Amino acid sequence: AQSVTQLGSHVSVSEGALVLLRCNYSSSVPPYLFWYVQYPNQGLQLLLKYTTGATLVKGINGFEAEFKKSETSFHLTKPSAHMSDAAEYFCAVRAPRNDMRFGAGTRLTVKP
Amino acid sequence: NAGVTQTPKFQVLKTGQSMTLQCAQDMNHNSMYWYRQDPGMGLRLIYYSASEGTTDKGEVPNGYNVSRLNKREFSLRLESAAPSQTSVYFCASSEEIAGSNQPQHFGDGTRLSIL
Repeated sequence: AQSVTQLGSHVSVSEGALVLLRCNYSSSVPPYLFWYVQYPNQGLQLLLKYTTGATLVKGINGFEAEFKKSETSFHLTKPSAHMSDAAEYFCAVRAPRNDMRFGAGTRLTVKP
Repeated sequence: NAGVTQTPKFQVLKTGQSMTLQCAQDMNHNSMYWYRQDPGMGLRLIYYSASEGTTDKGEVPNGYNVSRLNKREFSLRLESAAPSQTSVYFCASSEEIAGSNQPQHFGDGTRLSIL
């Protein structure tokens, strides 16, 4: 079965610093991968999705993710954190029969 | 531009009571999903419906039933609520295109407490 593991349940960065949220996937076939963001008391919003053949995927709000097949990773980055980036971030992989499997989430805190 | 609408937003139940969570989407999507979100566990799939008239179990279906009323609506029912079902419930929908990684679109959730 396909799955994702998010490394670090909580990441704290200073405003203006690099954001790096880690996600490793397990899949026997080329994966469909996604990053979602969840703000307090809201549903999940799509940040970006992996497109087969791409290595660097650009998303909304200045986020991007790099797909590394050799490392089975799909880490999310943003060069400069903003206070408004504070939220919970979920990596997800699309499993057979259209099931989406989510990681446990990483809560991002941005310090002024 | 409603997307996925869930009702109610909050609910408190007593153990043993029943209730139905409602979900409707206006994007003409074929597939709809119900998830529960618990701290430290991400989202787990309860049931999904690939098309009108079909439903299938997900990862954690015990204690729940679903109905795909029509293409727009997908409801989740708790027949006899238990404290372990205290959670935040999310409905989602997606368009299915073979060979394409279509994302799921989420509602804002129903926060359910079982006392």
